[in-house]
Amino acid sequence: ELKVEQNPLFLSMQEGKNYTIYCNYSTTSDRLYWYRQDPGKSLESLFVLLSNGAVKQEGRLMASLDTKARLSTLHITAAVHDLSATYFCAVDVTGTASKLTFGTGTRLQVTL
Amino acid sequence: DAGVIQSPRHEVTEMGQEVTLRCKPISGHNSLFWYRQTMMRGLELLIYFNNNVPIDDSGMPEDRFSAKMPNASFSTLKIQPSEPRDSAVYFCASRRKRQGLLLFNYGYTFGSGTRLTVV
Repeated sequence: ELKVEQNPLFLSMQEGKNYTIYCNYSTTSDRLYWYRQDPGKSLESLFVLLSNGAVKQEGRLMASLDTKARLSTLHITAAVHDLSATYFCAVDVTGTASKLTFGTGTRLQVTL
Repeated sequence: DAGVIQSPRHEVTEMGQEVTLRCKPISGHNSLFWYRQTMMRGLELLIYFNNNVPIDDSGMPEDRFSAKMPNASFSTLKIQPSEPRDSAVYFCASRRKRQGLLLFNYGYTFGSGTRLTVV
């Protein structure tokens, strides 16, 4: 059974600081997703990482994928309050019956 | 593109009542997924369909839950009878099927969710 673990579960950081969220998964996968969820809202797609060594950046967020280590990271640079949300990683496995398995989520709180 | 459309947005019902949640996937997407989100269990996959056919329903918690996809543009998730522990946010998502080696957009698009409260 595929397992996806994120850490930390909760992260409180000051504006302007940098931090990294980690996502480990237990089996071979060829696609890793990052989503953002604001309270009471749906899941917003941030990144799709398709291959080993893939790196994608959008604004203050950068995601990377190491398929050999089964690890993805979401790096936050110079955090701002607007980044406060819950971040999920999710993995799907190659095949016609692929489906998303989610991590536990990381609740990020950026304080002034 | 209107996105994935779910209805209702909120549902409050009494224990024992039947509840039906509805989902319209994005046109052209031929995979549809139902997820449930709770504080305790996070996001769980309940069931998913490929080309209107249920592929994996192992996440459906009990026989009280059933899902159908009568055509490519509509799916329902039914709970009968409902119980307080079914209270959660239910998300529907759709995805376009991969075709050969071409790199289509593999993203899953989620609906706004239905917040279900069973009292």
